[in-house]
Amino acid sequence: GAGVSQSPSNKVTEKGKDVELRCDPISGHTALYWYRQSLGQGLEFLIYFQGNSAPDKSGLPSDRFSAERTGGSVSTLTIQRTQQEDSAVYLCASSPETQGESSRNQPQHFGDGTRLSIL
Amino acid sequence: AQTVTQSQPEMSVQEAETVTLSCTYDTSESDYYLFWYKQPPSRQMILVIRQEAYKQQNATENRFSVNFQKAAKSFSLKISDSQLGDAAMYFCAYRSRGATNKLIFGTGTLLAVQP
Repeated sequence: GAGVSQSPSNKVTEKGKDVELRCDPISGHTALYWYRQSLGQGLEFLIYFQGNSAPDKSGLPSDRFSAERTGGSVSTLTIQRTQQEDSAVYLCASSPETQGESSRNQPQHFGDGTRLSIL
Repeated sequence: AQTVTQSQPEMSVQEAETVTLSCTYDTSESDYYLFWYKQPPSRQMILVIRQEAYKQQNATENRFSVNFQKAAKSFSLKISDSQLGDAAMYFCAYRSRGATNKLIFGTGTLLAVQP
């Protein structure tokens, strides 16, 4: 597609349930990021995938959070046993990065996010 | 660790006037990248402008320009001839030239444009 696509747009679930959020990056983009935006806060980095390299998981807040990227394209962020503090907008971004200095200046293209509400 | 601070939670500007949004950051690195993103109610983050720290010249994109003061670790955004469509949340972001490409964001400034 023309841009980063995220689904669902909104998700309401009960505390304790598992949720899966999906991100379709821009075709050809090798780098993919997940961020979390809590109410009134800036974006918080969660995880970063780059090609076949091991992902940077340093931003995941707990072991209830995990993400995978299949075939170097679509990514799924999974939150197990959801808590009310997990309520936020989850944003995905992709970038046409390759290795090397020129990649650092590449902008990240964001999707519209998934608004997750935990009851 | 790097941090980004936006000290203005909300700003307001009259249509056609100029407004400046502030951003400061803390880093021990000498080379890095800085970005301003705009987030309208649609939630999508839109890149407004970017600056490479090793370039002394301030970046400009049409009505948007930055005042990059490296020694002061300041990166303000100036919007000239403000338009109603400029109303949005604006985020300042830092990106290291190191191993990780993640963006570090400030908490944002909500800009209102008055007709």
